[in-house]
Amino acid sequence: DVKVTQSSRYLVKRTGEKVFLECVQDMDHENMFWYRQDPGLGLRLIYFSYDVKMKEKGDIPEGYSVSREKKERFSLILESASTNQTSMYLCASTEAPGQGLYEQYFGPGTRLTVT
Amino acid sequence: AQSVTQLDSQVPVFEEAPVELRCNYSSSVSVYLFWYVQYPNQGLQLLLKYLSGSTLVESINGFEAEFNKSQTSFHLRKPSVHISDTAEYFCAVSKTGGATNKLIFGTGTLLAVQP
Repeated sequence: DVKVTQSSRYLVKRTGEKVFLECVQDMDHENMFWYRQDPGLGLRLIYFSYDVKMKEKGDIPEGYSVSREKKERFSLILESASTNQTSMYLCASTEAPGQGLYEQYFGPGTRLTVT
Repeated sequence: AQSVTQLDSQVPVFEEAPVELRCNYSSSVSVYLFWYVQYPNQGLQLLLKYLSGSTLVESINGFEAEFNKSQTSFHLRKPSVHISDTAEYFCAVSKTGGATNKLIFGTGTLLAVQP
């Protein structure tokens, strides 16, 4: 079974703090994704990575950065947390296209509250 | 670019009644189609997918969805729902032959099953 784990289920941070959200997958997937989920807006893509050290902006990258130093780990960084970044953050992974796996596997999510 | 519309944000239904959750998509290219389910306080799980072949696809827990290319729809149905089906359901598409298996999600439909 594919397993995607996220470092925290719940996190409370103060405005202006630097926040790290970690995601690890155990299936040697090339592609990894970070989404945020807000009521009524569904899932919106923040950043994705298609290989180690490779990244591309998603639909809402402002205020975020990412790091992928190892294939299994994809980190989301909030450089200076703000209250409008209070949200549920979901990590996902999948194989590169053409390898037969088209769906993404999701972690349990991190609910971040910025006060 | 692709987009996904889930017009119903919430669908209340009584236990053992049939249900249909609607999903329409827009795309100028061929797509793969997915339904994901999110139970309370959990990440997303794949419910079913359409990649090619038979337009009717089924899940192991009694849901089915039919790909209708002419109507650009992928509605999810179940003939008799259970309390345990209460969850949020997300429709998603990805471009066939894309570079990253990136998904575009709808805004979700909350299925609320009442006794």
